[in-house]
Amino acid sequence: DGGITQSPKYLFRKEGQNVTLSCEQNLNHDAMYWYRQDPGQGLRLIYYSQIVNDFQKGDIAEGYSVSREKKESFPLTVTSAQKNPTAFYLCASRIGTGGSTDTQYFGPGTRLTVL
Amino acid sequence: AQKITQTQPGMFVQEKEAVTLDCTYDTSDPSYGLFWYKQPSSGEMIFLIYQGSYDQQNATEGRYSLNFQKARKSANLVISASQLGDSAMYFCATSNTGGFKTIFGAGTRLFVKA
Repeated sequence: DGGITQSPKYLFRKEGQNVTLSCEQNLNHDAMYWYRQDPGQGLRLIYYSQIVNDFQKGDIAEGYSVSREKKESFPLTVTSAQKNPTAFYLCASRIGTGGSTDTQYFGPGTRLTVL
Repeated sequence: AQKITQTQPGMFVQEKEAVTLDCTYDTSDPSYGLFWYKQPSSGEMIFLIYQGSYDQQNATEGRYSLNFQKARKSANLVISASQLGDSAMYFCATSNTGGFKTIFGAGTRLFVKA
């Protein structure tokens, strides 16, 4: 079945450590996205990528980094520079050629907790 | 800049009744899409329904329909015959056609009572 997978589902990190969240899709979508969601809040865009080897900062990119070496994969690294990384992280993808193809489809999310 | 406003932080509905979740949007783009997502307690964002700005008819998907009023810039979600499993957060979103960014509202939490 086609879809988006994120791993791990839960992640615990000590302060000062970098951690990488995985996002893989087999939908053949060009565009991929990372969002952060804090309790009771909406989604905030961290980074997005329109095509392989290209990505742009979203609204809250500080303390995060990404890569897009393959169409299927868009990993997110939460660095030690991110002051408050405890949150729920959602990855999404879409075709984005207009109309209903602009719909984003989401993975199940990773819940990151800093100890 | 695009903006989504959801003014209802929480809503209650009796099982089997219909409920309307409000959404107003602001955009200067002539062509755009409107989306609704459901987020149950598990956290996954589930796509429910899409409406294009040039679509003449309101979108429907099973028990979900989108009440699109372009002049008022509103895109309310109507859920008919509510079920206990409809209890969740609901997010309205918009994207300009072919654009790469989608703007989400703050969400409305729906509680379905037995």
